[in-house]
Amino acid sequence: DAGITQSPRHKVTETGTPVTLRCHQTENHRYMYWYRQDPGHGLRLIHYSYGVKDTDKGEVSDGYSVSRSKTEDFLLTLESATSSQTSVYFCAISDLGTGEQYFGPGTRLTVT
Amino acid sequence: GENVEQHPSTLSVQEGDSAVIKCTYSDSASNYFPWYKQELGKGPQLIIDIRSNVGEKKDQRIAVTLNKTAKHFSLHITETQPEDSAVYFCAASKGTNAGKSTFGDGTTLTVKP
Repeated sequence: DAGITQSPRHKVTETGTPVTLRCHQTENHRYMYWYRQDPGHGLRLIHYSYGVKDTDKGEVSDGYSVSRSKTEDFLLTLESATSSQTSVYFCAISDLGTGEQYFGPGTRLTVT
Repeated sequence: GENVEQHPSTLSVQEGDSAVIKCTYSDSASNYFPWYKQELGKGPQLIIDIRSNVGEKKDQRIAVTLNKTAKHFSLHITETQPEDSAVYFCAASKGTNAGKSTFGDGTTLTVKP
């Protein structure tokens, strides 16, 4: 987890409220990713970024938006949280975008 | 898109035994295959990887093999220790396209002392 932090680490929120999760890296890596992990499932890609202000959708992007205004920060926003978005969210970074990814410690989000 | 299947979902071995986890992938264009270890409450950690121009790679007690023709790859852990207990994920990537990876569903490995 060195060089990657996520905040908050735990959050409980109510249905319909907006939520923003932050990923911060000190590695100066170009690529950043947001994944969600649910019980019995692997990691599913939500959104990714290939540079400042350059982002694209992953396989489960509905209900999520992202922003990257600086190399070191990648924000994930749930505009109106739903119970189906209760999950553990992981940020990952990659230097060359050739496959190797390094993960943060995760954020456990509960939507009640 | 890519589909990665991982087996078994749970694996229990005695300390000192070997453990093997297998994955298959569907997209013949995938060329990078990493394995991650996830301990409880932590993020996945890259432990070994292999690219499609290599058939096998070893790092101390762990090894990965790749069969491109059959589109499957495996993780082998020898002389297992209790600290090897964790969830292991395989993934497949084209190695380009921002390195987007498709992950298997994970294998929970328990090593009994």
